[in-house]
Amino acid sequence: GQNIDQPTEMTATEGAIVQINCTYQTSGFNGLFWYQQHAGEAPTFLSYNVLDGLEEKGRFSSFLSRSKGYSYLLLKELQMKDSASYLCAVLDSNYQLIWGAGTKLIIKP
Amino acid sequence: IAGITQAPTSQILAAGRRMTLRCTQDMRHNAMYWYRQDLGLGLRLIHYSNTAGTTGKGEVPDGYSVSRANTDDFPLTLASAVPSQTSVYFCASSEATSGSTDTQYFGPGTRLTVL
Repeated sequence: GQNIDQPTEMTATEGAIVQINCTYQTSGFNGLFWYQQHAGEAPTFLSYNVLDGLEEKGRFSSFLSRSKGYSYLLLKELQMKDSASYLCAVLDSNYQLIWGAGTKLIIKP
Repeated sequence: IAGITQAPTSQILAAGRRMTLRCTQDMRHNAMYWYRQDLGLGLRLIHYSNTAGTTGKGEVPDGYSVSRANTDDFPLTLASAVPSQTSVYFCASSEATSGSTDTQYFGPGTRLTVL
């Protein structure tokens, strides 16, 4: 079966750095997405990785290792508004998005 | 530019009633999707449409039907609602063209409660 694993919840301090991991086992791979979802709102697109390596976008970076079936989202200089759920999703061989259950990130002052 | 709109925002429905959730996009995206999101389970695909006139079943299609008469609209119908269909429903769309990353963009969601 297809599976996406990410921690259920993480806590970090304002101004710090946090890394949210995602491991996947899917039938084929056509890219990995990270989305941010604030409570009661829709998911919004953060990043897309299809090749190995690090993609940096402001305070957020996303890393991919296809051989290890592994990705992480790195958030720097954490702000209170970063409190949200972060969803990892993989595009499989049929171009269907397989979603993880999401990681709830709690930022403390 | 509105992106994707969904209606209603929320609804309380008696079991056994028929209900249609509406979804409209103005981005001329080829593909559209319906998901349900339940606590602890993540997003689950109900139905999808790769282009106007075609639809397909996702992971949890039972009890739901869709149609795609044109590019912009993708309504989801619950023929006879049951309490297990209580959820938040998200509509999404993507370009789905050769060379695109197929990033999906989401509507604001419909919170449905079936009693």
